[in-house]
Amino acid sequence: GAGVSQSPSNKVTEKGKDVELRCDPISGHTALYWYRQSLGQGLEFLIYFQGNSAPDKSGLPSDRFSAERTGGSVSTLTIQRTQQEDSAVYLCASSFGHTGDPQHFGDGTRLSIL
Amino acid sequence: AQSVTQLDSQVPVFEEAPVELRCNYSSSVSVYLFWYVQYPNQGLQLLLKYLSGSTLVKGINGFEAEFNKSQTSFHLRKPSVHISDTAEYFCAASHSGAGSYQLTFGKGTKLSVIP
Repeated sequence: GAGVSQSPSNKVTEKGKDVELRCDPISGHTALYWYRQSLGQGLEFLIYFQGNSAPDKSGLPSDRFSAERTGGSVSTLTIQRTQQEDSAVYLCASSFGHTGDPQHFGDGTRLSIL
Repeated sequence: AQSVTQLDSQVPVFEEAPVELRCNYSSSVSVYLFWYVQYPNQGLQLLLKYLSGSTLVKGINGFEAEFNKSQTSFHLRKPSVHISDTAEYFCAASHSGAGSYQLTFGKGTKLSVIP
C-alpha cells in the first residue's frame, strides 16, 4: 500500500500477557519511529530506527518495551508483562530520514489492557 | 531539550468563521516545526511544515501558519472553517541537527466547528 500500515488495529489483552504490534513503513523510507498516544501523556516518542544504525531507544518507558526492525523494513514493538498503564494508541511513522523530512503516520494500534 | 506548548485544549468556532490555534515552542537549538491533524480513529496527517525561508507557510485544506522567531510561536490559522475541519490538531517540533528527528508534540487542540 501507499501508506504506513499497522496491525492489529485493535488489541485487547489481559494484564501480564505479552503483545506484539507490527508496523510496515512506506516503501523506500529508511527512518521508522514509534510513538505512544495516551490520555494523560499526549504523544510520546518511544524509539527510532534509521537504516542500519543502532536504534535510539531513549523514549522507551521501561525494559518491558522493546522493538526490532528486520531487513530495514517491517518493525515490531513488543511489550512484555503488560500493565494497565500500557493501554494507549501506539503510532508508527516513517520518513526518508533526511533533516526536515515530514513523518508519515499509520492509523495506530489501540491497545487495551484488562 | 525542546518543548511545545499548545495554549488551548479546546477551541469551538462557528462554521465559516476564522480560527487561530496557538503554538509556542522552546528549544536551545534550531528546530523544524510542523502541524498535524488527527481525525477520530486515524493517525496524524501533515498539514504543513516550517524548515526555513519564508515565515508564512501554506498547507493543505486552506490552513497556513506563521513562524515568529522572536515570540517563539508557530500559530495555525484558517480564514473560514468548515464542519469537516473538526478534529484534533497537534503542533510538533524536531531539532535540525544530525541524529534522531523524533517529534516533540504539544498536547493537542480539539477544534469543534459549530454549524
